[in-house]
Amino acid sequence: KNQVEQSPQSLIILEGKNCTLQCNYTVSPFSNLRWYKQDTGRGPVSLTIMTFSENTKSNGRYTATLDADTKQSSLHITASQLSDSASYICVVKGGYQKVTFGTGTKLQVIP
Amino acid sequence: GAGVSQSPRYKVAKRGQDVALRCDPISGHVSLFWYQQALGQGPEFLTYFQNEAQLDKSGLPSDRFFAERPEGSVSTLKIQRTQQEDSAVYLCASSLWGTGRGEETQYFGPGTRLLVL
Repeated sequence: KNQVEQSPQSLIILEGKNCTLQCNYTVSPFSNLRWYKQDTGRGPVSLTIMTFSENTKSNGRYTATLDADTKQSSLHITASQLSDSASYICVVKGGYQKVTFGTGTKLQVIP
Repeated sequence: GAGVSQSPRYKVAKRGQDVALRCDPISGHVSLFWYQQALGQGPEFLTYFQNEAQLDKSGLPSDRFFAERPEGSVSTLKIQRTQQEDSAVYLCASSLWGTGRGEETQYFGPGTRLLVL
C-alpha cells in the first residue's frame, strides 16, 4: 500500500530559528513529490515540487530535498517567521493522477 | 474568481440527512479532485474528474457518496444518509491539464467543514 509518513507530528520553534521536516514514502511508481503548506481553515498551497531527477529545490526560505533511492524528502525552513505557523504536508504522486498525502507536520512558531 | 471556491464553508447535518457540497474550480481547469480530510490527518483522495468525465472514484468510501460535474466546470459532492464518521473537511482542487501532465499544480479551495450530529 502506498504510504507517506511525516515526522515530527508537531513542532514548536522560536521565531528566527531554522527547522527541518521529514517525509518518508513507499509510493511506487514515483512521479513527483510536493510539499504543501496548509494554514488553519484553508486549503493546501503548493510550496515545491520535485521529480525523480531533482534532489533539491528552493522557494524563498523553504528548501526541499529528495533522495529517490532511500525514498526520503525533507523541507528545511530558514529564519522562521510567525506566519510559517501551519501544517506542512508531503504529497507523493504515483501513477495516473493518484496522489498520496502524508498526515502533515504541525509547525508552531512562537515569538 | 481567482481561485477555487467551495460552498458552504460550514455545514451541520443531523445523522441521516442528505448534504450537497459545491465546488467552483478555476475557470478553464480541466481536472477536478475531491478529498476528505479528517481532523489532524492529511487529505484522502475521493474522486477525480477530467472535464465532465469521472475517471476515478476509487476513493469514495461508500455508495452513499456521489459526485458529479455535468458541464465540466462546477462539481457537486453529495452524501446521502450522513453518518457521524462522515464529519470531516471536504476539499476540492483543480488543475489546468488532464492526465499525462504529472507536474501540474493542484489548486485547493478552502474546504467545506461538515459536522454530522
